[in-house]
Amino acid sequence: GENVEQHPSTLSVQEGDSAVIKCTYSDSASNYFPWYKQELGKRPQLIIDIRSNVGEKKDQRIAVTLNKTAKHFSLHITETQPEDSAVYFCAASINNDMRFGAGTRLTVKP
Amino acid sequence: EAQVTQNPRYLITVTGKKLTVTCSQNMNHEYMSWYRQDPGLGLRQIYYSMNVEVTDKGDVPEGYKVSRKEKRNFPLILESPSPNQTSLYFCASSLWGGAVPNEQFFGPGTRLTVL
Repeated sequence: GENVEQHPSTLSVQEGDSAVIKCTYSDSASNYFPWYKQELGKRPQLIIDIRSNVGEKKDQRIAVTLNKTAKHFSLHITETQPEDSAVYFCAASINNDMRFGAGTRLTVKP
Repeated sequence: EAQVTQNPRYLITVTGKKLTVTCSQNMNHEYMSWYRQDPGLGLRQIYYSMNVEVTDKGDVPEGYKVSRKEKRNFPLILESPSPNQTSLYFCASSLWGGAVPNEQFFGPGTRLTVL
């Protein structure tokens, strides 16, 4: 089955800096790649997603890039703010079978 | 208000005592799914359902059962819970998108402890 690896497991940045989280997947048939943000004690919420026929997608300070050849995708957050502090999960899906990465704990220091 | 609800939110039980965690959504979503979340392992899919009476195994289905008799409900059943099923459980739902999923909306979570 699909295997998703996520790095780094923890990331600390200064407010205003950029943050990058990377994921790799094993099955080239994966066709959907969402990113979820989970604040402490809360449910995961989708922040951005990308489909396999698109190489890059941007939504304000958040962007995702997908490299199908290398089977990796990345989340980019620019101009980070303290409220961006949370755990971020990537995922890859094949026909609705969703596999998540282990998560990245992002801390944005004021 | 559009939402996914789960009950109970917290449950402490003993090994072998059958339990059911309910999940309900009011968004008329076809797709529903159950995940468990454990430290360092992220979210792992247990079962999912593409519509009424259609269910499929996810990554970690052992020890769990589900049913989808109505579109809005997708209960998770632990026939004989064991301590390794102690975890935080999330239900999620989305509109059916065919081979490519749509955004999943998560419930608030159920924290289960099996002694």
